[in-house]
Amino acid sequence: EERLVESGGDLVKPGGSLRISCVASGVSFRDSWMAWVRQAPGKGLEWVGRIKSKTSGGAIEYAAPVKDRFTISRDDSRSTLYLQMNSLKAEDTAVYYCAHDFGVSNWLGPWGQGTLVTVSS
Amino acid sequence: SYDLTQPVSESVALGQTARITCGGNNIGSKSVHWYQQKPGQAPVLVINRNTNRPSGIPERFSGSNSGNTATLTISRAQVGDDADYYCQVWDSSTCVFGTGTKVTVL
Repeated sequence: EERLVESGGDLVKPGGSLRISCVASGVSFRDSWMAWVRQAPGKGLEWVGRIKSKTSGGAIEYAAPVKDRFTISRDDSRSTLYLQMNSLKAEDTAVYYCAHDFGVSNWLGPWGQGTLVTVSS
Repeated sequence: SYDLTQPVSESVALGQTARITCGGNNIGSKSVHWYQQKPGQAPVLVINRNTNRPSGIPERFSGSNSGNTATLTISRAQVGDDADYYCQVWDSSTCVFGTGTKVTVL
């Protein structure tokens, strides 16, 4: 059974940086497209971005609010997905979920349990 | 940008049918996916590609999509169906989620 576990969430000051991780098991990670989705407290789901598998070209796509500040990467040897977040703002405060992305026009799932990132002074 | 609009809340009596709508411009031409999220938990896929139920999802959950509206139908609603529900599509290489609907089973 596929399982995703996020870690690394923390309290960060505005303007600061943080890297969070997502470790996958029970799946061929190197062949998987992966996504990050966030959810601000009491709010809905917001897509952050996705990274395709290297065999599919490895392209990375970002949502407009995080483009140029966030970087998605992967280490297939460690079955790990990363999200590097720079120039953090209060509005980036959210639970960040990783999810298996089933590709063009397809769904996300399963999802990890999420990790909380709080941006506050 | 592409917007998906859902009602904020829906109430349904125990054992009755709930219908949750997801409105978007010509959404019938897109593939719609639905997620259930219970408090403090991660979302779970309940319908993919408009009408398909993943393994383990009860037959009580069904979906349709036509014109400008996609619909998630929960038949014979149970207390365990109390949750937030989100629709999702892709538009120009961007993943878009609906605004979310809180379903309360009375």
